[in-house]
Amino acid sequence: EVQLLESGGGLVQPGGSLRLSCAASGFTLSSYAMSWVRQAPGKGLEWVSTINGDNTYYAESVRGRFTISRDSSKNTLYLQMNSLRAEDTAIYYCGKVITPYDYRDALDIWGQGTMVTVSS
Amino acid sequence: QSALTQPASVSGSPGQSITISCTGTSNDVASYNLVSWYQQHPGKAPKLIIYESTKRPSGVSNRFSGSKSGNTASLTISGLQAEDEADYYCCSYAGIITFDVIFGGGTKLTVL
Repeated sequence: EVQLLESGGGLVQPGGSLRLSCAASGFTLSSYAMSWVRQAPGKGLEWVSTINGDNTYYAESVRGRFTISRDSSKNTLYLQMNSLRAEDTAIYYCGKVITPYDYRDALDIWGQGTMVTVSS
Repeated sequence: QSALTQPASVSGSPGQSITISCTGTSNDVASYNLVSWYQQHPGKAPKLIIYESTKRPSGVSNRFSGSKSGNTASLTISGLQAEDEADYYCCSYAGIITFDVIFGGGTKLTVL
């Protein structure tokens, strides 16, 4: 079964750092583009970052602070989050792009999400 | 890029059909056949129900259908069922200048 399982969320002070993990099973993570999407409490979905091969892309709101990466040997996706702000508080979901042929396409598999709270 | 525009809420009775619109611009919806729709029940992760504007992933009911005309995409749910009550989000690739993905604000569907 194709699955994604996030971990690493928690409470962090403003200015702090956190690394989220997204462990994939049932498919080879490096064969697909992967993304992070977040959802602030009671709000809508917001794209955060995408990785396709060696190329990485970021929303303007996180560029320069967040870094997406993956470890093929562990079949795991990461999101390193630095200089965290209160407005980064959200559930963070990882997602797999539906096709290996177009990294811009939709996300067909989502993890259950991990909550990040930035507060003093 | 601004968010795509969706109605905040729609409602319908069991068995009826409803349509949710998603309006973008020439920089996103109109320029790419990469509109997707997600269903999200409370406390759950989003679920893909339509991709590439009109395609259904395997396992998604054929009561869900998508269309696109110009800068507006639409999701139609026919034969409404109680379990369709959820939030629905549209999404489009918007990478005219640089890679970008934008979501709509979400629509709350109430099954009366």
